[in-house]
Amino acid sequence: GAVVSQHPSWVICKSGTSVKIECRSLDFQATTMFWYRQFPKQSLMLMATSNEGSKATYEQGVEKDKFLINHASLTLSTLTVTSAHPEDSSFYICSARGSAGYTDTQYFGPGTRLTVL
Amino acid sequence: TQLLEQSPQFLSIQEGENLTVYCNSSSVFSSLQWYRQEPGEGPVLLVTVVTGGEVKKLKRLTFQFGDARKDSSLHITAAQPGDTGLYLCAGVVTSGSRLTFGEGTQLTVNP
Repeated sequence: GAVVSQHPSWVICKSGTSVKIECRSLDFQATTMFWYRQFPKQSLMLMATSNEGSKATYEQGVEKDKFLINHASLTLSTLTVTSAHPEDSSFYICSARGSAGYTDTQYFGPGTRLTVL
Repeated sequence: TQLLEQSPQFLSIQEGENLTVYCNSSSVFSSLQWYRQEPGEGPVLLVTVVTGGEVKKLKRLTFQFGDARKDSSLHITAAQPGDTGLYLCAGVVTSGSRLTFGEGTQLTVNP
């Protein structure tokens, strides 16, 4: 149980285009989902927190107009990187917290590798 | 200032050796999780500890939560090459709040 999926697992796009990443909790309801960014050999950096049906809360320094987050249902959240540039290339990971396990435990997706040319 | 200090950041050992990773803070946590991450994949939950003094075992891995719930440790006995990966501790200060991650420990077990 407590499986979180992400799609796509990797994506290559041209500079200036937008990319959408999906995060789904497969066997539990996720009241809260989180989006992280990770650079090689570093820990995870929280970008934003989203609760189902409400606007996402962004961390300081994260542009909300560039990284659009939609938490449309208790099992789906999406991150759209708008007008992507090479510096947006990174490993993006989502996590979900909700009705699985301990209240505060987060379950992570497998990540999405974004490469912007 | 890092809320969760994790050490060591890098560890390279031979197969069969034992090791301990530490996670320390001046803050009290309501719960603390340990994750293991392999390159190109998301972190996989190993354990959640919630009670001060709690000890949990997962095969050759032993997790301990400090009595004051400010620190935690992960001990691996007889490490194997398959244990290689990035180990992350992460804690929640107040139930319902965000996870705070340590800097991670990159473990390499050489055959």
